[in-house]
Amino acid sequence: EPEVTQTPSHQVTQMGQEVILRCVPISNHLYFYWYRQILGQKVEFLVSFYNNEISEKSEIFDDQFSVERPDGSNFTLKIRSTKLEDSAMYFCASSEITGVPQETQYFGPGTRLLVL
Amino acid sequence: QKEVEQNSGPLSVPEGAIASLNCTYSDRGSQSFFWYRQYSGKSPELIMSIYSNGDKEDGRFTAQLNKASQYVSLLIRDSQPSDSATYLCAVLPSGGYQKVTFGTGTKLQVIP
Repeated sequence: EPEVTQTPSHQVTQMGQEVILRCVPISNHLYFYWYRQILGQKVEFLVSFYNNEISEKSEIFDDQFSVERPDGSNFTLKIRSTKLEDSAMYFCASSEITGVPQETQYFGPGTRLLVL
Repeated sequence: QKEVEQNSGPLSVPEGAIASLNCTYSDRGSQSFFWYRQYSGKSPELIMSIYSNGDKEDGRFTAQLNKASQYVSLLIRDSQPSDSATYLCAVLPSGGYQKVTFGTGTKLQVIP
């Protein structure tokens, strides 16, 4: 069964460093998402991406964050200068279509980011 | 602010019993509702989706939606220890085709 994959599974970085989290969405999906979940808290929407541009973003997704689809398969989330509060699990998700109520997003296994 | 509220639990039920999980949401125009299961340290896994008022059954799981009351629930029949997890209610609000809003989740413990 097709699935969303993410690398790395764990990332430890120093405050102020740049990190890139990588995702390979399900191959026929057109819509891609990033969520984060701080330990013990709820899953929070960061951004959605379609046709090589951001379609929606939350207030969390500030200028420190960027997303890119550098090739036909990868979808990346970059954090330019990490802060302690960026420590969280980051989930990538994808969906085949959107704009209809029935659409389901499929989640990857996540990257646990720890900022020291 | 569009909110999704869940009782954090833990909800403890004996093996074989029915577990009832509840969720309320603030955006009356919300169209799609999802229940995800999340094991500790893992990603959310979709269990059920529901879009119309009433009940939707899938195996041991039944989702119930009442848009007038802005309430969605999940029933798990014949609960098993493997059902022990956190159950996340997620809502697709009006006007946002992708921006799913999650509740904080209810932790379910099924006691053997």
